[in-house]
Amino acid sequence: DAGITQSPRYKITETGRQVTLMCHQTWSHSYMFWYRQDLGHGLRLIYYSAAADITDKGEVPDGYVVSRSKTENFPLTLESATRSQTSVYFCASSESWTATNEKLFFGSGTQLSVL
Amino acid sequence: QQQVKQSPQSLIVQKGGISIINCAYENTAFDYFPWYQQFPGKGPALLIAIRPDVSEKKEGRFTISFNKSAKQFSLHIMDSQPGDSATYFCAASMETSGSRLTFGEGTQLTVNP
Repeated sequence: DAGITQSPRYKITETGRQVTLMCHQTWSHSYMFWYRQDLGHGLRLIYYSAAADITDKGEVPDGYVVSRSKTENFPLTLESATRSQTSVYFCASSESWTATNEKLFFGSGTQLSVL
Repeated sequence: QQQVKQSPQSLIVQKGGISIINCAYENTAFDYFPWYQQFPGKGPALLIAIRPDVSEKKEGRFTISFNKSAKQFSLHIMDSQPGDSATYFCAASMETSGSRLTFGEGTQLTVNP
């Protein structure tokens, strides 16, 4: 029962490089999300997806790109990394959202440092 | 703009004491208010949640109190234990946003033995 897994666990990169963070879930959940966690800001939504090939912007999408060709995968790409993108990134998933089934399942996170 | 504001940023409580974390929201369309618990090196996990049709929900030592008129809700941890030491996030969502949660800034709770 793997659940939701993120890779890599830690990543160090340089300003201007392209970086891709991976997210894989084994539950076939419809919804997937990317959040970034920064001290003083809590968790902020970057992008989300309601199904394969359906994605939409969240609160802080600038500088990020996502794709979802398969239900189980939701990679997040930083096209040209900046120091302000140094953060801990969390992927999450959920089943269809109903009044009796409202729960996000989070991965363990990717700690990204941009030098 | 932060639609859900959480306080305090950090909290230290003695074992057996009561931990109280507060959140305030701005958007009256919010209709679902969960609390997530995060241990170091892990992702957040749902702890307890409430809808505005009730003023209180209790699960074990954890209680959410909800004040709709004041647009505030709080988490109370009774008989706090060292194992409760974690970061706690309040959050809110509305029916039209589905599973898109807006999170507070987080509270780092330390329970001393």
